[in-house]
Amino acid sequence: SQTIHQWPATLVQPVGSPLSLECTVEGTSNPNLYWYRQAAGRGLQLLFYSVGIGQISSEVPQNLSASRPQDRQFILSSKKLLLSDSGFYLCAWSVVQEAFFGQGTRLTVV
Amino acid sequence: GENVEQHPSTLSVQEGDSAVIKCTYSDSASNYFPWYKQELGKRPQLIIDIRSNVGEKKDQRIAVTLNKTAKHFSLHITETQPEDSAVYFCAASKKSGGYQKVTFGTGTKLQVIP
Repeated sequence: SQTIHQWPATLVQPVGSPLSLECTVEGTSNPNLYWYRQAAGRGLQLLFYSVGIGQISSEVPQNLSASRPQDRQFILSSKKLLLSDSGFYLCAWSVVQEAFFGQGTRLTVV
Repeated sequence: GENVEQHPSTLSVQEGDSAVIKCTYSDSASNYFPWYKQELGKRPQLIIDIRSNVGEKKDQRIAVTLNKTAKHFSLHITETQPEDSAVYFCAASKKSGGYQKVTFGTGTKLQVIP
């Protein structure tokens, strides 16, 4: 069966520090991969999606970047975090239509 | 692009009553409509979905309806229980440029009062 791993679960980082969140999927090949952000009490905003290795598309301009170095690995990064980057970050994967989410990373920028 | 609106943003019901959450979408090309339940601090979990060739789908106490002409779909929860308390998201999805583009609603916080 397919599983998705996302880490870390929580993260507190100072403003201006770098960020790296990692997500891996097991049990499937060539999944579509997604990064979403959920601000406190709000909906899910799509940040990036990827249909294959090295293929990254961004939905909104921002302080973040994404990379897909391997078929089942998706990384969310920032060189310098802003206070506004705080939120709940969710990685997700899909093959056909259903999207399945990782456990999420709660990022607090202080 | 697709725009999904979800109402209400909060909903309180007495245990045992029914809860209804409604969503509308704008892109007639959307053909898949999942619903997710997110408990506090946890990941959204798919609870039920419906495809555009179906008008209604039921799974125990949960049902979804889809009106393609009007571009709206709804989640119905009957005999609500305290463990149904969570945030519920609707979504509209379609194939776009080789990937499944999913647009979420803004969520409904459901509180079931014992």
